[in-house]
Amino acid sequence: ILNVEQSPQSLHVQEGDSTNFTCSFPSSNFYALHWYRWETAKSPEALFVMTLNGDEKKKGRISATLNTKEGYSYLYIKGSQPEDSATYLCAPLYNNNDMRFGAGTRLTVKP
Amino acid sequence: NAGVMQNPRHLVRRRGQEARLRCSPMKGHSHVYWYRQLPEEGLKFMVYLQKENIIDESGMPKERFSAEFPKEGPSILRIQQVVRGDSAAYFCASSPRGLAGKVYEQYFGPGTRLTVT
Repeated sequence: ILNVEQSPQSLHVQEGDSTNFTCSFPSSNFYALHWYRWETAKSPEALFVMTLNGDEKKKGRISATLNTKEGYSYLYIKGSQPEDSATYLCAPLYNNNDMRFGAGTRLTVKP
Repeated sequence: NAGVMQNPRHLVRRRGQEARLRCSPMKGHSHVYWYRQLPEEGLKFMVYLQKENIIDESGMPKERFSAEFPKEGPSILRIQQVVRGDSAAYFCASSPRGLAGKVYEQYFGPGTRLTVT
C-alpha cells in the first residue's frame, strides 16, 4: 500500500501572506507527480505535472518543487488571495500506472 | 472545446437497482479514468480505460462494478445491485495520452453524485 501524506491538513492565512505545504510519497518506482487545485463544489483542476528530480514549475503566484530521491514536493503560494482558497491535492504516479491521491491541504485565505 | 462531461450530475437509486454513470472525455482525448470520493475521504482511483480497452482496473471493487469505453460513445461506469455504501461522488477524468510515456494532465468532469436510499 502506498501512503501519500500531505501536511498540514488545513491552513488558514491572511490575504497577502505567502504559504507553503508538503506532499510526501514513496519514491520507489516513482514516475511523475501531479498537483491539483480543488474548489468546493467543483472538480479538481490540474496545476502542475513534474517528473524530474529538482523540477520546479510556476504558474502565476503558485510554484512547486520536486525531490524524487527523498519523495517530497512543496507547493508555494506567494501573496495569497481569497480566491486561492481551495484544497490542494498531490497525486504521485508510479511506473505500474498506479496513481494515488493525497488527502489534500485545505487552504483558507481570509480577506 | 467542451470540457469533460458527466451525466447525470445527481443520481438516486434504491438498494438493489443498477446505476449507470456516463463520461464523455474532452475532444481529442482517448484515455479515461474513473475516481470515487466517498464521504469524508479523498479521491480514490478506480479504473483507467482506453478506447475499447481496460488498461488498469486495480481500484475497482471485485463485484458489482464494471466499466467500459466503447469505440463510439461515452465511457460508462456501471454499478449493479447498489448498496448504501456505494453512495459517493464519482469523477471521471480524461487525457490525450496514457499515463505511461509522456505524462499528460488529467482534466476532470464535474462528477456524478450517487445516493443510494
